[in-house]
Amino acid sequence: DAGVIQSPRHEVTEMGQEVTLRCKPISGHNSLFWYRQTMMRGLELLIYFNNNVPIDDSGMPEDRFSAKMPNASFSTLKIQPSEPRDSAVYFCASSSGTGMEIQYFGAGTRLSVL
Amino acid sequence: EDQVTQSPEALRLQEGESSSLNCSYTVSGLRGLFWYRQDPGKGPEFLFTLYSAGEEKEKERLKATLTKKESFLHITAPKPEDSATYLCAVGTFGNEKLTFGTGTRLTIIP
Repeated sequence: DAGVIQSPRHEVTEMGQEVTLRCKPISGHNSLFWYRQTMMRGLELLIYFNNNVPIDDSGMPEDRFSAKMPNASFSTLKIQPSEPRDSAVYFCASSSGTGMEIQYFGAGTRLSVL
Repeated sequence: EDQVTQSPEALRLQEGESSSLNCSYTVSGLRGLFWYRQDPGKGPEFLFTLYSAGEEKEKERLKATLTKKESFLHITAPKPEDSATYLCAVGTFGNEKLTFGTGTRLTIIP
């Protein structure tokens, strides 16, 4: 398997623009996680899907952030409108069970909002 | 609220110089403690899961141990390829998500 695939790897945008991050989990995995990593706050869970259903979105910072998982092989994280403080590395991870199982991470998307 | 604190923030060792990384946690009920390794520009990669105090796990030059309040990642005779950021995370009962620490950036000097 190719592992968790994220795109794009790098995104540079201007404040106010819409940003869409994409993730393809490992085939057969039924849980998907979106994380944000910054130097100050480390790795923070934004939202967790199980069987394509959002289970916990308490980490989503505000209404500007939204996530979808229309099927078992694709998820998106959207930020609209983007702000400079959203600049971070965003990771997607998948697991074969719940969050207590081994999570396999993608290479991340580095987002810079100018 | 679950809390995970890792120390030190950064550690530089000479090749072959053994040391330990610390992960202290405060949780309502520990279900599992996880160690991940993260190389620059990559996502975290799973190393170990520990479930109960007294448990130990080993992989090559790494050994993870767990007490009721903290976990240690011992690195014996490290090599430059062990340089990475090591992340600790906890999972608790009734909660299907992990809380991560901010990591220890380990540098092994040849």
